[in-house]
Amino acid sequence: GDSVTQMEGPVTLSEEAFLTINCTYTATGYPSLFWYVQYPGEGLQLLLKATKADDKGSNKGFEATYRKETTSFHLEKGSVQVSDSAVYFCALSDTNYGKLTFGQGTILTVHP
Amino acid sequence: EAGVAQSPRYKIIEKRQSVAFWCNPISGHATLYWYQQILGQGPKLLIQFQNNGVVDDSQLPKDRFSAERLKGVDSTLKIQPAKLEDSAVYLCASSITGTGLSYEQYFGPGTRLTVT
Repeated sequence: GDSVTQMEGPVTLSEEAFLTINCTYTATGYPSLFWYVQYPGEGLQLLLKATKADDKGSNKGFEATYRKETTSFHLEKGSVQVSDSAVYFCALSDTNYGKLTFGQGTILTVHP
Repeated sequence: EAGVAQSPRYKIIEKRQSVAFWCNPISGHATLYWYQQILGQGPKLLIQFQNNGVVDDSQLPKDRFSAERLKGVDSTLKIQPAKLEDSAVYLCASSITGTGLSYEQYFGPGTRLTVT
């Protein structure tokens, strides 16, 4: 079945550092790929998405590129802020029915 | 636009008791999902409705979990009897449609269940 693997966490960075959170997937067909974010005390929010190979999703300074050849969708940000502290989830969708399969999540803490 | 509403936000029960969670999706959203998120893990789909029909309930423990979506709007998820391992956050999400690549799922705040 479909699966998503995220890098082990938690990740702790200083403000303005470069961020990479690795995500790889296994799926049949051509899934869409997503990054969701969960800020403390809040619900899951869509951060960005990509629906086909080589697409780049971007939002709030975060980027991720759909790499079919390496089955990866790594999340990057050039300069993190304290307000980026949250849990980040990589996910893929079943193209037939839309259900999401999530990775285990990566806790990001950014210190001033 | 109002988001996905869920209640209660928190619930503590003893094992073998029953519990119910309620979800009201965004108006006009045909597809509704229930996910279970155990601490330290990503959400796992329990059941997906398209209008008032079930699309996928393959990971729903049907001996103790049940869900319904009467009239294709709000939904109720029930656990009876609860076990310790059911302690988790139960998330409800909705989308305009469950098919195609342009949908987006919107999540509610979740219900945190603790079974003692």
